[in-house]
Amino acid sequence: QLVVTQSPSASASLGASVKLTCTLTSGHTSYDIAWHQQQPQKGPRFLMRLNNDGSHNRGDGIPDRFSGSSSGAERYLFISSLQSEDEADYYCQAWGTGTLRMFGGGTKLTVL
Amino acid sequence: QLQVQESGPGRVIPSETLSLTCAVFGGSVRTDTYYWGWIRQPPGKGLEWIGTIYYNGATQFNPSLRSRVSMSVDTSRNQFSLKLTSVTAADTAIYYCATEGRTLAVTSSWGRGTLVTVSS
Repeated sequence: QLVVTQSPSASASLGASVKLTCTLTSGHTSYDIAWHQQQPQKGPRFLMRLNNDGSHNRGDGIPDRFSGSSSGAERYLFISSLQSEDEADYYCQAWGTGTLRMFGGGTKLTVL
Repeated sequence: QLQVQESGPGRVIPSETLSLTCAVFGGSVRTDTYYWGWIRQPPGKGLEWIGTIYYNGATQFNPSLRSRVSMSVDTSRNQFSLKLTSVTAADTAIYYCATEGRTLAVTSSWGRGTLVTVSS
């Protein structure tokens, strides 16, 4: 069964960089994923699609401070030059075969 | 870029069927460029994938909901739909529809969401 694991929380200082991690279960480690951002009291926003080879494509209007990479079962979201508006929940969504999908539990990012 | 918008009743009676539609703007629902998805978020909780449908009718659903979920594509109205049967209070959530680009070059997008409350 496809399970997506994310750390519940992360924190980093204003202006610094942070790496968020998403882990796919064994047997599903080749899957692409999508990263989504949900700011407080708002709907989710598509950040990027990330392939298992690390290539990625950001959504419309997403700054290049957001980037991604892949290594084995892990998918990463990097955010550089952290701003206050980056404080949000970040969700990893695995894209399985065909129309199979699954979300991780989300990581709550605090900008100190 | 495609945009999508959810519509449907804001309240559903327990044990009845929740029905939502998602209108597609700026493109056709009958395309192999996108998948069409439904996601929900209970109050104070994370995102939960409900299911995804392709233009040819191919679907997959979250195993936890599979026995109660169905989806369809209506090409005449350029929309896709969700039905969830035998609802309980646990189905109270904001329901989102979303576009999913089939290839890396095609970006995805979310609808604004619609709150559905299950209550008598």
